Amino acid sequence: NAGVMQNPRHLVRRRGQEARLRCSPMKGHSHVYWYRQLPEEGLKFMVYLQKENIIDESGMPKERFSAEFPKEGPSILRIQQVVRGDSAAYFCASSPSGFETQYFGPGTRLLVL
Amino acid sequence: GESVGLHLPTLSVQEGDNSIINCAYSNSASDYFIWYKQESGKGPQFIIDIRSNMDKRQGQRVTVLLNKTVKHLSLQIAATQPGDSAVYFCAENSGGGADGLTFGKGTHLIIQP
Repeated sequence: NAGVMQNPRHLVRRRGQEARLRCSPMKGHSHVYWYRQLPEEGLKFMVYLQKENIIDESGMPKERFSAEFPKEGPSILRIQQVVRGDSAAYFCASSPSGFETQYFGPGTRLLVL
Repeated sequence: GESVGLHLPTLSVQEGDNSIINCAYSNSASDYFIWYKQESGKGPQFIIDIRSNMDKRQGQRVTVLLNKTVKHLSLQIAATQPGDSAVYFCAENSGGGADGLTFGKGTHLIIQP
């Protein structure tokens, strides 16, 4: 049973470009969470989604960031007009339901030049 | 605001000794706690969890202790091995596991030969 998959593993963007991060949850998991991690820090919750629904986006910046989890396909975290401060590791986690352990993917390391 | 934090950023132990990593939390509504291990360049790996109706839970070589009176959580690793070297995060959730997790900053466990 494959774990949570994320791609790309590394992404380099110039300021002003768009970044798209993808997350495929574990098989049988319908709940997806996105977190951001800065160097030497813990993970910060961004958004919690179920299929076709955003459940909690209290950790998402108000502008430039959006997330979706369509009926088919992976969850997408989209960052428009990236700035250097967006450089971080972005992790996706999934769980079978909203009340069980979250399992993390390997992350996408975004570098904004 | 309410947060989860760790007492020590770095812990150095001899191989074969037991390790104890501590965590304080401030949200009295927290009812689900998890310990994750993160190796360099990888995503957090689930170690063990505990719900607030318990004060102790054991896994393979690991034990988690929860003291709700003083809002303190600890992870004990028995017979520490070189492969235990990593950053350890405690995380908490006030929704019984649902919604995003709140992470502490992490403790770097270093194993000395």
